[in-house]
Formats: sequence, C-alpha cells, structure tokens
Amino acid sequence: QSALTQPASVSGSPGQSITISCTGTSSDVGGYNYVSWYQQYPGKAPKLMIYDVSNRPSGVSNRFSGSKSGNTASLTISGLQAEDEADYYCSSYTTSSTLVFGGGTKLTVL
Amino acid sequence: EVQLVQSGAEVKKPGESLKISCKGSGYSFTSYWIGWVRQMPGKGLEWMGIIYPGDSDTRYSPSFQGQVTISADKSISTAYLQWSSLKASDTAMYYCASAVDYAGAFDIWGQGTMVTVSS
Repeated sequence: QSALTQPASVSGSPGQSITISCTGTSSDVGGYNYVSWYQQYPGKAPKLMIYDVSNRPSGVSNRFSGSKSGNTASLTISGLQAEDEADYYCSSYTTSSTLVFGGGTKLTVL
Repeated sequence: EVQLVQSGAEVKKPGESLKISCKGSGYSFTSYWIGWVRQMPGKGLEWMGIIYPGDSDTRYSPSFQGQVTISADKSISTAYLQWSSLKASDTAMYYCASAVDYAGAFDIWGQGTMVTVSS
C-alpha cells in the first residue's frame, strides 16, 4: 500500500490562505469519503482536524476546511496564524480494508 | 475525560520481545476501534493495524502483518502491540488512537510510546 502523496512543504504569511493537497488513487481517496487530516507539532501526538473529507471535530477552528475532487483531497487553512505552523498528514480508507497516511507536509508561517 | 494512556518508553536489544500497552478511560472501550500508528525518527505516520476490543476483530497493514501482534483485554480496557523479536528498524514512536469505525478517523490519541532497539 503506497503512501498518499503530499507536498513536502508549503508556506504562507500570516493572514493568507494555504492549501495542502493529498493525492491517492481510486482505491483510496477517490473511492471513499473517509479522508482525514491531522496536525502534529514536534514531539506531540497528532490531532484530528478534519474527518470524512470535510467535517470538523468540535473545538477545531473554522479556519480549517477540507474538500475532495476525484483522487485528490485538500486541506485549506484560511487566515493563517503562527500557531498553525506544524506538520499535516492526510489519511484515507482503502479497498484493502486498511488505512493509509500521506507522507506529511511541513507548514511554515513566514 | 476521554483519554488513552500508553505505557512508558522502552529500550531493548535486537531479538528481544516486547509488549506495549494503551489503556482507555472515560468512554466505552468495547465500542470503539483502537489503532496503532508508527512514526520512525524524523519520518511520517504509518498505519499498522486496528482492533475492535468488543470482539477482537483485528486488521493489519500488509507492511506489518506477521511482524507485530495487536490484541486487547476488554476487562481492563487495554490494547496491546507486541513484538516477538525486535529489530533495530523497529526503533520508533508508537501511538495508539481510537476511532468510531475501522474506516474512519482517529479522534483520540495516546501520548505515544518510544521504543528504542539497540545493541
């Protein structure tokens, strides 16, 4: 099972919006609405930010949003803040009844 | 408070066995799946497998099938990840996390258990 493809890094200035892509295949991202996004700070456990493509758990800022088109899912962060600087991972359910993560994207707030 | 508390860091030698744990509290442990995720030093997240403590239904990533064993003891609300013969390449942080279903998102995470395998 190959990892989903994410850009290694993205950056943006405070107040701007950024989008992180997560590309898979019809056997994972494209085949199911079970795409999730996680935020991870160095030395900390991941935190769920988006589930089922576009749903936010209680307590997650509405500056975070998710979407999907075909085999590519996206996480958009609007009104970028310094505290958003972290690593972000996508994950998807697969036809093999397993889950797969993306390689991770390091977000830098300039 | 809903939480998963993992056992402490381990330092082992190659060839040794190990079993790390993940104890759930604040929710119905038998009603949620518990998954295990590996993060090697400086690397990304890898899904290892998942178990439903209610009936011990277990699924493994092909990459980890046969390399580790996932189990659970619902009487003490604890899930386990074990190795019979560790390798240096097993050195990593291991997280447990809970999910409503096996296809879905991990909404609660443990704090992680660092496993170091070195001669």
